[in-house]
Amino acid sequence: DTAVSQTPKYLVTQMGNDKSIKCEQNLGHDTMYWYKQDSKKFLKIMFSYNNKELIINETVPNRFSPKSPDKAHLNLHINSLELGDSAVYFCASSRARSSYEQYFGPGTRLTVT
Amino acid sequence: GIQVEQSPPDLILQEGANSTLRCNFSDSVNNLQWFHQNPWGQLINLFYIPSGTKQNGRLSATTVATERYSLLYISSSQTTDSGVYFCAVETGAGSYQLTFGKGTKLSVIP
Repeated sequence: DTAVSQTPKYLVTQMGNDKSIKCEQNLGHDTMYWYKQDSKKFLKIMFSYNNKELIINETVPNRFSPKSPDKAHLNLHINSLELGDSAVYFCASSRARSSYEQYFGPGTRLTVT
Repeated sequence: GIQVEQSPPDLILQEGANSTLRCNFSDSVNNLQWFHQNPWGQLINLFYIPSGTKQNGRLSATTVATERYSLLYISSSQTTDSGVYFCAVETGAGSYQLTFGKGTKLSVIP
């Protein structure tokens, strides 16, 4: 009964392809996030949804598009993948959008060749 | 935006030793978390500690919000403590996101 789960765990693909990463949380939380961890281990917020509404949209290429079909799911779709997109992508959730502990999924390691 | 600085960047310990990791931040916060990223990449919640002191086994943390720093103490370190320790904060201005420090990489050797 994993709290925050992501699929796939590893994703290897070629430049120019389109791919999606899925995230699900079973904690009953209202807010979900996508973070990117680069090769130097630096973690940075990409997007956040609260009750299916986008509340954070950091400066990321518009090739990245989050979608939240319901409160328990937040997917990340990436178009026209580039070498620089290679990273580990983490999904997280929290009870509400401010001042609450965030819980992270296991991460998806994306490698673009 | 808020700045988060962690020190030291790297730390090597003999098993059984104690250590203190520090996190300085540049603005008031309403959320501060410590995470351990293990060698398999999993981010594990250690403490949610915007202020005060908490203890969990061999680990404890203290946040002095008025002085804008937090400390993570690891006692009697074990090889399984190895990994990267991150401090992350959310500003009091309701930014709705965690800003992470660059982490402290801890290596515990037998």
